[in-house]
Order: sequence, then structure tokens, then C-alpha cells
Amino acid sequence: AQTVTQSQPEMSVQEAETVTLSCTYDTSESDYYLFWYKQPPSRQMILVIRQEAYKQQNATENRFSVNFQKAAKSFSLKISDSQLGDAAMYFCAYRRAFTGTASKLTFGTGTRLQVTL
Amino acid sequence: GAVVSQHPSWVICKSGTSVKIECRSLDFQATTMFWYRQFPKQSLMLMATSNEGSKATYEQGVEKDKFLINHASLTLSTLTVTSAHPEDSSFYICSVLLGGGEQFFGPGTRLTVL
Repeated sequence: AQTVTQSQPEMSVQEAETVTLSCTYDTSESDYYLFWYKQPPSRQMILVIRQEAYKQQNATENRFSVNFQKAAKSFSLKISDSQLGDAAMYFCAYRRAFTGTASKLTFGTGTRLQVTL
Repeated sequence: GAVVSQHPSWVICKSGTSVKIECRSLDFQATTMFWYRQFPKQSLMLMATSNEGSKATYEQGVEKDKFLINHASLTLSTLTVTSAHPEDSSFYICSVLLGGGEQFFGPGTRLTVL
């Protein structure tokens, strides 16, 4: 079974600074997808970024980028120029590379990010 | 993406009663929807996969007779918590599966059982 581990229960960053959230996973699959989701106080889950395992290039979405190390099974999220609105719970998630009912997401335990002035 | 709504956003009920939560895909016809449960300060735990026109697939440890799922149309899935008890109090979230394999989530429903 696949597992996703987030070893940082809480992180703090100053506004405009950069922070990196860690995620490791365990799988025997060679093709899969990895995601970072954000859950603000409203509790609405929002997709931040996704990475296909077969792509060597790290995904980037504006201020958000990932460091995907397939051999090490590591998938960290870097937030640049942090803003107050980035304060949220961040979940790392894994999905096998199939559609249909095999598209279940396995979530990590989450990292709570605080952004300070 | 997809726009997903849930109703109600918050419900309080008495122990022993049943509660129905609706999940609607507003702009996408969803063959597959998922139901999650989230306890305070914890991660999302998948309860079941809801497939339009067929029986839901429940995760291990989830009582299918207690958490009834109906996915009668491509835009609506319902979760009914039968004979609710205080330990069923939680935050329930649904998601819609898009063709590319991505999931988009509803805003969630807070259930409080007194």
C-alpha cells in the first residue's frame, strides 16, 4: 500500500520569505501522480500543484514549485514570496497513474503553515 | 476544473436520527465521486468511491449500512448517515473525479450529533 509522510506538523515563515514543506512517499509503482493541496481556514481543499512521475522537470505554478526526487521518493513544496493568504494546512497526496476508481488519493497528515508579518 | 457544492454546510442532529448530505457537480458530469471524512486537525480519510448507477465501493473499516451512498445521476451523490451518534460528528467532504484523474473538492459539511 502507498503511504505519504509529512514530517513537519507546523511551519512558520515571514511574509515575503521562502519556505519549503517536506513530503516523502512509499510506492512500488513506477508511474503515478503527486499533488499538493491547500486547505485554508474555510476548509475548502484547493489544488496547488501536481507532478507526473514520468516527468523529470519539476512543476511550477507562479510562486509555488516542487522539488521532485523520484529515486529518493521525495516531493517537497517551495513557496516563494510568502503571503498572508498562504497560511493554511498543506497536504501532500499520491495517486496511481490510472483513471476511474483507481484514482484514489492517499493524503499525508498535513503541515500547518503560519505566515507572520 | 470543476465546481462542486455541498448541502448543507453545517447540520446539527439528535443522536439516533439520520442525516443526508448532498454533493453536486455544478458544471461537470461526474461518473465518479469520492466521500471523505476529516476529524479536527487531521487528514482526509477516504470513506467510499461513489459510481453513478452502481453501488459504492467502501474503504476497509467503513460501515456501508451506516453510511449510505447514492449516486443516482451524473451531477448528484448523497451520503446518508443513518442512526447518527456523537462519534459520527465530523467534517465530510466530497470530490469529483475529472477525466484527467484530478479531483476537485466540495466545501465540506460539518456534522454535529448531539
